[in-house]
Amino acid sequence: NAGVTQTPKFRVLKTGQSMTLLCAQDMNHEYMYWYRQDPGMGLRLIHYSVGEGTTAKGEVPDGYNVSRLKKQNFLLGLESAAPSQTSVYFCASSYSRGAHYGYTFGSGTRLTVV
Amino acid sequence: GENVEQHPSTLSVQEGDSAVIKCTYSDSASNYFPWYKQELGKRPQLIIDIRSNVGEKKDQRIAVTLNKTAKHFSLHITETQPEDSAVYFCAANVNYGQNFVFGPGTRLSVLP
Repeated sequence: NAGVTQTPKFRVLKTGQSMTLLCAQDMNHEYMYWYRQDPGMGLRLIHYSVGEGTTAKGEVPDGYNVSRLKKQNFLLGLESAAPSQTSVYFCASSYSRGAHYGYTFGSGTRLTVV
Repeated sequence: GENVEQHPSTLSVQEGDSAVIKCTYSDSASNYFPWYKQELGKRPQLIIDIRSNVGEKKDQRIAVTLNKTAKHFSLHITETQPEDSAVYFCAANVNYGQNFVFGPGTRLSVLP
């Protein structure tokens, strides 16, 4: 039981390049999320998914796209990277069974755009 | 939309003392409030949570209190230890749902 796994852990991109971050969970969670973490700003929601085949925008979705073709995977794409997207990206997942539950986070991806 | 404020931004305490971190929220529909601990270079981890039908919850040295009327909730750590040093985030769910808005974090340093 690996929990939530993110790949890659580190990446440096040049402005305008594209990349995909992969999040995989083996806990059969319905909900999955992508957050970015910037100094002094906490965690901000980029996109989320409430189930396979669904996605929705969060607080800061511009410049990102997501897909959830399989329940266990949630992909975050940057089509044309910008320096403002330099951040640490965390994927998270949770149950949704009527009551509320906290998140299980992945280990993060540190992305630098130069 | 929901706005979560958190104070203080940094907190230093002597080992063995207590630490208190306070958060306020704006959405009256928020009804679930988790707290996360993030050690340097690691992922945030859930340490305690509280639902709106409860005023206080304890788990060993940590406790959380909730005042729904005032829209604030607090994390209390007693008998602090060096391993409690980390950044702590509060969060509140949005509109009864399972999305969360996080506070900006509190960096706690426990001095030996």
